[in-house]
Amino acid sequence: KAGVTQTPRYLIKTRGQQVTLSCSPISGHRSVSWYQQTPGQGLQFLFEYFSETQRNKGNFPGRFSGRQFSNSRSEMNVSTLELGDSALYLCASSDPGQGISGELFFGEGSRLTVL
Amino acid sequence: AQSVTQPDIHITVSEGASLELRCNYSYGATPYLFWYVQSPGQGLQLLLKYFSGDTLVQGIKGFEAEFKRSQSSFNLRKPSVHWSDAAEYFCAVGALMKTSYDKVIFGPGTSLSVIP
Repeated sequence: KAGVTQTPRYLIKTRGQQVTLSCSPISGHRSVSWYQQTPGQGLQFLFEYFSETQRNKGNFPGRFSGRQFSNSRSEMNVSTLELGDSALYLCASSDPGQGISGELFFGEGSRLTVL
Repeated sequence: AQSVTQPDIHITVSEGASLELRCNYSYGATPYLFWYVQSPGQGLQLLLKYFSGDTLVQGIKGFEAEFKRSQSSFNLRKPSVHWSDAAEYFCAVGALMKTSYDKVIFGPGTSLSVIP
């Protein structure tokens, strides 16, 4: 099976712009989670989608949003970018059919730099 | 509150030496425990997991971990470290999902350096 694919891998934006990141999960996985990783804050949970519905959300401002499509692919969007949004954004998919959360399969991430 | 702590922010070991990375958790439900590894510039890869049964679990790349309920710990070990093991290691706790998603809680990570 192909792994989790995230695009783009690297991108540079300026303050005030918006960005959309894409994630294609492992085939058959219906859950997609997003994490923000920074040196100071570590791994922070953004949100999780399952069958096109957001089931859980972390403590991020409304500028951070996401969605999931019927094929389980997911996108996250960050509007009005701030310098502090510079981070590695990781997507992870899982198969909730296993009944256990935590067995996540991660993509390589999208490295966002905000200037 | 649910939490995962990794007391060691950074560890340096010599190649060929043994390794133990510590992880302690606080979780109200029955914990499902994981160790992930992240190489520079990469995503996280699952090393091993504990759901139930034998408290000593084997993972990939020669790693093992032992679950100790009385100590709320899930320490990762490797008998002989290789230079390629230099990476960031994350302990995580998940849960048996019921009617809602129980998000995974990650520890802050331990950075491992290996001296040739």
